[in-house]
Amino acid sequence: DGGITQSPKYLFRKEGQNVTLSCEQNLNHDAMYWYRQDPGQGLRLIYYSQIVNDFQKGDIAEGYSVSREKKESFPLTVTSAQKNPTAFYLCASSLRSPSEQYFGPGTRLTVT
Amino acid sequence: DAKTTQPNSMESNEEEPVHLPCNHSTISGTDYIHWYRQLPSQGPEYVIHGLTSNVNNRMASLAIAEDRKSSTLILHRATLRDAAVYYCILGEYGNKLVFGAGTILRVKS
Repeated sequence: DGGITQSPKYLFRKEGQNVTLSCEQNLNHDAMYWYRQDPGQGLRLIYYSQIVNDFQKGDIAEGYSVSREKKESFPLTVTSAQKNPTAFYLCASSLRSPSEQYFGPGTRLTVT
Repeated sequence: DAKTTQPNSMESNEEEPVHLPCNHSTISGTDYIHWYRQLPSQGPEYVIHGLTSNVNNRMASLAIAEDRKSSTLILHRATLRDAAVYYCILGEYGNKLVFGAGTILRVKS
C-alpha cells in the first residue's frame, strides 16, 4: 500500500534536547511538507521541499531544520532553539502541485 | 496570501445535505479553491478542489460563485463519519497552501 508514514506516533523529550521526526513516503511524490498544529488551531507550514536536495522555509521555520537527501524521506529536527516545541506535527506530500496533498498520521511531540 | 472566511462551526442531521460556505473576496485569477477535512488526532484528508467551474467527486461537490468570491462545499448526505473540521484554502497551482482555522462540522444522529 502506498502512503506516508510518520514515526513515532508519540514522542516525549526533555527541554534542551534536539529531536528528529521521521517522514517517509512511497508515493513517488516530488513535493513534501512539514506542518505544525496547536490545539484548536489550523495547520502552519514549517518547511517544504519541491525536489531532492532543495527546501524552502515556511511561515514558522525558526527553531526547526530539515533535509531532503532522498525523494522518499523528509526528516524534521526540532532544535532546542524552538521555544514552544510541544505540538502535533504533520508531514504531507504531493505529486508536484499542492492540489492534492496526502498527509501522514502525525507525531505528537511533548517537551517538558 | 489571499484569505478565506468560514463559520466557526455548523451542525447537521444525519442523512441530510450539508452546505459549508467559504468567502474569499480577495481571490486572484490564478487561485484554486481547495477543501480538506480533518478528523480528531488525524492528518487532514483532501476533499475536492476547483478553479472556476463546479466540481463533483465521490466525496462531495464544490459550487463556485460566478465572481469566484465565495464557494460552497456540499456533502449530499451527511453521516456521522463526516463530522470533522473542514478547511477552505486558496492556493496558486504549484504553490504552498495556507490552512486557516476551518469549520467544525457536527453531525447529529
